[in-house]
Amino acid sequence: SQTIHQWPATLVQPVGSPLSLECTVEGTSNPNLYWYRQAAGRGLQLLFYSVGIGQISSEVPQNLSASRPQDRQFILSSKKLLLSDSGFYLCAWSKLARNEQYFGPGTRLTVT
Amino acid sequence: GQQLNQSPQSMFIQEGEDVSMNCTSSSIFNTWLWYKQDPGEGPVLLIALYKAGELTSNGRLTAQFGITRKDSFLNISASIPSDVGIYFCAGQLRGAQKLVFGQGTRLTINP
Repeated sequence: SQTIHQWPATLVQPVGSPLSLECTVEGTSNPNLYWYRQAAGRGLQLLFYSVGIGQISSEVPQNLSASRPQDRQFILSSKKLLLSDSGFYLCAWSKLARNEQYFGPGTRLTVT
Repeated sequence: GQQLNQSPQSMFIQEGEDVSMNCTSSSIFNTWLWYKQDPGEGPVLLIALYKAGELTSNGRLTAQFGITRKDSFLNISASIPSDVGIYFCAGQLRGAQKLVFGQGTRLTINP
């Protein structure tokens, strides 16, 4: 069966510091991968998605970037965090040609 | 961008009551998905719908893909305390790699 991992689970970072969140998927190959952000009590905002290694599509111009160095690894980064980057970050995967997305446990980021 | 209108935004019900929520759009979707999110966790897929008119059940949950392909409904029968959470609808346009999400329905149950 497939599993998706995210770490860290929680993170508190000062404004201006760098960020690296990691997501890995097990039990499948060539997945589509997605990064979402969720503000408290709000819906899901798609940030990036990837259909293959090195292929990244950005949905929202922002202070963040994404990379996919390996087939089942997806990384969300920032060089300098802003207060507005605080939120709940979710990684998700789907099989190619399938529409169902499966979410990881999320990372709670607080920028102080 | 595309938007899904999900309603109601919140519901306060008694345990044992039935629940209904829906999502509508001005666009035609090929797929409708329903998710549930518990506090501090990632959303969990409940039901996936792929054909107009399709009616699918998962235990006490039943969802339908609207005939017009522009809406979907989720019903929960005989609610129990563990049904508390936020329910999201999501739709996929033809040929798209990504989902469009509704803003969620927050369900609260009074015992």
